[in-house]
Order: sequence, then structure tokens, then C-alpha cells
Amino acid sequence: QAQLQQWGAGLLRPSETLSLSCDVSGGSLSGYYWGWIRQPPGKGLEWIGEINEIGNTNYNPSSESRVTISVDTSKNQFSLKLASVTAADTAVYYCARRTMPFDLWGRGTLVTVSS
Amino acid sequence: DIQMTQSPSSLSASVGDRVTISCQASQDISDSLNWYQQKEGSAPKLLIFLAENLESGVPSRFSGSGSGTNFILTISSLQPEDFATYFCQQYANLPLTFGEGTKIEIK
Repeated sequence: QAQLQQWGAGLLRPSETLSLSCDVSGGSLSGYYWGWIRQPPGKGLEWIGEINEIGNTNYNPSSESRVTISVDTSKNQFSLKLASVTAADTAVYYCARRTMPFDLWGRGTLVTVSS
Repeated sequence: DIQMTQSPSSLSASVGDRVTISCQASQDISDSLNWYQQKEGSAPKLLIFLAENLESGVPSRFSGSGSGTNFILTISSLQPEDFATYFCQQYANLPLTFGEGTKIEIK
């Protein structure tokens, strides 16, 4: 059964770049979109963007200018970079697999932006 | 963007109660609607996809209905493990958007 294992830095200073990666084990990248969703403390879920195995991306316009999602098919991994972070980017970040619904989720990474 | 409005934002209920949660889309999304359950400190878990289809392994006390702009998640008999927050999510249009959540608390 496929699983998602995510990792990345949990504490950033304002203006730094958030960098998270997600490893897909027990399954293939093919046939899915692989996305990132975040959840500020005590708040709802916000879709950041997604990528498929050939590198086609979709981004949320709310942060599109700062976001890069990439895929490494040789490692079965995909990654998120969010530039110029501020305190408003403090959230739990989830990686997830999508067909129509998000049917497989990583455990989440709390990223805190603080000076 | 398609706005997803859930109601209520929270509710108190007892074990055995029938519970319904509403989700309204700001425009017609046909049946492109999913429901998730999230427990404290955990990732969301898919319950219902395509408005009314039960995800494998999800108890049959959960059901979804609706189409167009109005959707409902029903829990027929609330169990102790159902106390959690529930989110709807549309995938008719990008950007994908979620409702703000409905928290079910123990009465």
C-alpha cells in the first residue's frame, strides 16, 4: 500500500524559502496528481498546488508567484518551495495524492515562521 | 474561486445521534464534492467522494448526498470515534477549495 513520507525544515525566518519534500513509497507516481495543502493553526485547509509525473503543474493563484512544485521520478519524490515566507505562512503542510479526491495524505509538517 | 460554505461551524451531539452537516458551493459544481474527517493532530481522511460514494473502509453510518450547489454529510448514529472536524472540498474548478470545517463535540 502506498504511503507518503514528508520532511523539511520546521523553523524559518521571514524572507527565507520554505522547502519540503514528500517520498512516495509502495506506489507509482503515474496516474495521479501530487499536491500540497496547508492548514494554519486552528484554521481550515488551503490547497497550494500540485504536479503530475510528467511535470504538469497547477497552482493556487493566492501564492502562485512564490510557489514551485517539482517532481523527481527517479526518486519517486515531489517537493514544494515557497519563497519569501512571512508569519502568515506558518501552518501544517501536508503532501497528498489526488485522483478526484485527496485519497492519501502525509502526516504533515509544522512550519513556523518567526524572527 | 468557488467558495464552499459549511454549516454549522460546530455542533454538540451525543453518541447515537443522527447528525447532518451542510456544504454550499458558490456556483454549480455538479457532483464534484468530497468529504473528509480530521482528528486533532492528524491529517484529513477521505470519507466520501463524488458527493455520495463511500471510500473503502469507511463505516456505512456515513453517507453523502446532493448535487449542484447543496450537499449534505450525514452520520446516522454518532459513535465516540466520530468526534472530529469535517471538511467538504470541491474539485469542479481550480483552485481546489475547502469548506471552513464543522467540529462535532461531545454533548
